[in-house]
Amino acid sequence: SAVISQKPSRDICQRGTSLTIQCQVDSQVTMMFWYRQQPGQSLTLIATANQGSEATYESGFVIDKFPISRPNLTFSTLTVSNMSPEDSSIYLCSVDVGGLNEQFFGPGTRLTVL
Amino acid sequence: AQKVTQAQTEISVVEKEDVTLDCVYETRDTTYYLFWYKQPPSGELVFLIRRNSFDEQNEISGRYSWNFQKSTSSFNFTITASQVVDSAVYFCALSETNTGGFKTIFGAGTRLFVKA
Repeated sequence: SAVISQKPSRDICQRGTSLTIQCQVDSQVTMMFWYRQQPGQSLTLIATANQGSEATYESGFVIDKFPISRPNLTFSTLTVSNMSPEDSSIYLCSVDVGGLNEQFFGPGTRLTVL
Repeated sequence: AQKVTQAQTEISVVEKEDVTLDCVYETRDTTYYLFWYKQPPSGELVFLIRRNSFDEQNEISGRYSWNFQKSTSSFNFTITASQVVDSAVYFCALSETNTGGFKTIFGAGTRLFVKA
């Protein structure tokens, strides 16, 4: 398995500002994923982040709004830019362990935008 | 296209009852994976099981069991002798091969209430 940590665990932000969420894994992984879970909803994949290449975004998500960095095999960041109340969600980092599609999730970052 | 349907939005049972959570999926891939995750009120996602498309053998783990039937594209989850601690949202998920790896989509989730 993999131990995943996220920072911050929660935050309250003002409209128009940006927040960067960090995801740290205790082992090297090829694929990292960022999901969003809006209140009372299921998880939606935002993007897939591979080290050394541009992130691949899902339909409805764009790099300008959700820039992602993946500087090495254990770390990634997701920035939520120019936030609005509609961005209030839990953001979860996930990793694909060992290429066997064992997917584990971080504890999530609970974001509230006022 | 990939799709996961959990038709049951909420289920309420009394402790010690058995409960089955339904999951129906759609995929055009022949190689895929199915998952169940538990999300308790604390919010963390807990991995429960992964099953690949070539393994239709049912699985039992303690009070949990899973029934995978490709003929009906279903991957149902049964909790036997439910307990209050089983109260959570349960998500069924499907992974298909994507360029360089797997892409996982989730069903809408089933919220399970177990009353004492």
